[in-house]
Amino acid sequence: SAVISQKPSRDICQRGTSLTIQCQVDSQVTMMFWYRQQPGQSLTLIATANQGSEATYESGFVIDKFPISRPNLTFSTLTVSNMSPEDSSIYLCSSAGGSTDTQYFGPGTRLTVL
Amino acid sequence: GQQLNQSPQSMFIQEGEDVSMNCTSSSIFNTWLWYKQDPGEGPVLLIALYKAGELTSNGRLTAQFGITRKDSFLNISASIPSDVGIYFCAGQLRGAQKLVFGQGTRLTINP
Repeated sequence: SAVISQKPSRDICQRGTSLTIQCQVDSQVTMMFWYRQQPGQSLTLIATANQGSEATYESGFVIDKFPISRPNLTFSTLTVSNMSPEDSSIYLCSSAGGSTDTQYFGPGTRLTVL
Repeated sequence: GQQLNQSPQSMFIQEGEDVSMNCTSSSIFNTWLWYKQDPGEGPVLLIALYKAGELTSNGRLTAQFGITRKDSFLNISASIPSDVGIYFCAGQLRGAQKLVFGQGTRLTINP
C-alpha cells in the first residue's frame, strides 16, 4: 500500500484567506483524490486530481473555491480559497493505483477558520 | 447522488463482545471497502472485497460482499479497547474510481 503524507497537519486561518494543502505519495499512483470531512460527518469527495490536466470536480464543488494541482504522479495540492468558518473541516487526500484500485488515505489536514 | 446506509450509527459494548455493522444501498457496487478512523487520523483500510459473495477475514475482523452487490457487513469478534473508533463502509461503482462512503459507525467499548 502507498504511504501518503500531508502538510500541514493542521492550521488555524482567518476568514478571507487561502490555504494550500500538500499531498505526497511515496510511489507513483494512477489516481489521487481530495475529500472533505466536516465535523462529526462522513467523507465527501471534492474532486479527482488528474495528472497534467484540470481536476474533475463533484457536484457542489468548484475550481474557483478549491483549485487543485497535480504536476506529477506522486504529488498534488488542494487550495481552499477565500475561506469562511463553514470551510472548517478535515481535508484528506487519497491515492489509488495498480490492479485493484484500492484507495489509501493520508492523515488529513485539520482546518479551522475563524 | 449515490448513498450508502450504514447502521448502526453508534454502538456501546463491553470488552470481549462481538460487533456487527452493515451497509446497504439501492445501487450495485463493484467493490466494497471497510475503513477505521481514529481521532485525528485518516481512514485506515481494514478489508477490501471485490467479488459478490466474497467472505474475507483480517484477524478478528470478517467482512462479506453481499450476493446482490448492494450490501456488505463487517463483524469484529472478541472486541478489545483498541477497536474503539469510527468504522466506515465505502463502495465503488462499476467503471468508477471514486468511492461513496457510509455515514460511519462509532464504536465505544466499556472495559
